[in-house]
Amino acid sequence: EPEVTQTPSHQVTQMGQEVILRCVPISNHLYFYWYRQILGQKVEFLVSFYNNEISEKSEIFDDQFSVERPDGSNFTLKIRSTKLEDSAMYFCASRPGRPGSNQPQHFGDGTRLSIL
Amino acid sequence: GQNIDQPTEMTATEGAIVQINCTYQTSGFNGLFWYQQHAGEAPTFLSYNVLDGLEEKGRFSSFLSRSKGYSYLLLKELQMKDSASYLCAVKSSIKAAGNKLTFGGGTRVLVKP
Repeated sequence: EPEVTQTPSHQVTQMGQEVILRCVPISNHLYFYWYRQILGQKVEFLVSFYNNEISEKSEIFDDQFSVERPDGSNFTLKIRSTKLEDSAMYFCASRPGRPGSNQPQHFGDGTRLSIL
Repeated sequence: GQNIDQPTEMTATEGAIVQINCTYQTSGFNGLFWYQQHAGEAPTFLSYNVLDGLEEKGRFSSFLSRSKGYSYLLLKELQMKDSASYLCAVKSSIKAAGNKLTFGGGTRVLVKP
């Protein structure tokens, strides 16, 4: 069964450094998402992406965050200048279909980001 | 605002039935999803409700009442491998292309022998 893949599985970075988290969504999917989960807390929406542009973003997704689909397969999340509070598990998700469709979002295994 | 409430933790015996309740108050509603999440792993899709009523998928069933802002996930014939967190998530979006999921805090289910 096709799956969403994320790399790396664990990223350790010094505070203030830039980090890029990578995702390969399922190949025929059209909608892409990033979520994060701070240890012991709920999964939080960051951003959704469709047709090569951001569809919606949360308050968490400030100017330090950006997303890109540089080619036909990868979907990246960049944090420009990391802060201690960015330490979390970051999940990429994708889904097929039209807006409002009932198909579920499929999640990758996540990247655990640790900021020192 | 968005508010999704579910119990923090439940304990049940192998072979038994457990019902996990979820209540929601959200600014938009396009359906409710249940996901299973084992510790340190990705959420995996279990079921989806957009209309009132019961959806059954094998040992798992999910119920929705939109007028009450209420859903439950029913796990039957519990197995040890069902020990996990169960996440209630509402699909809501201001923009049609967004369809973001807003998650509850999750219910940790511990299955005992």
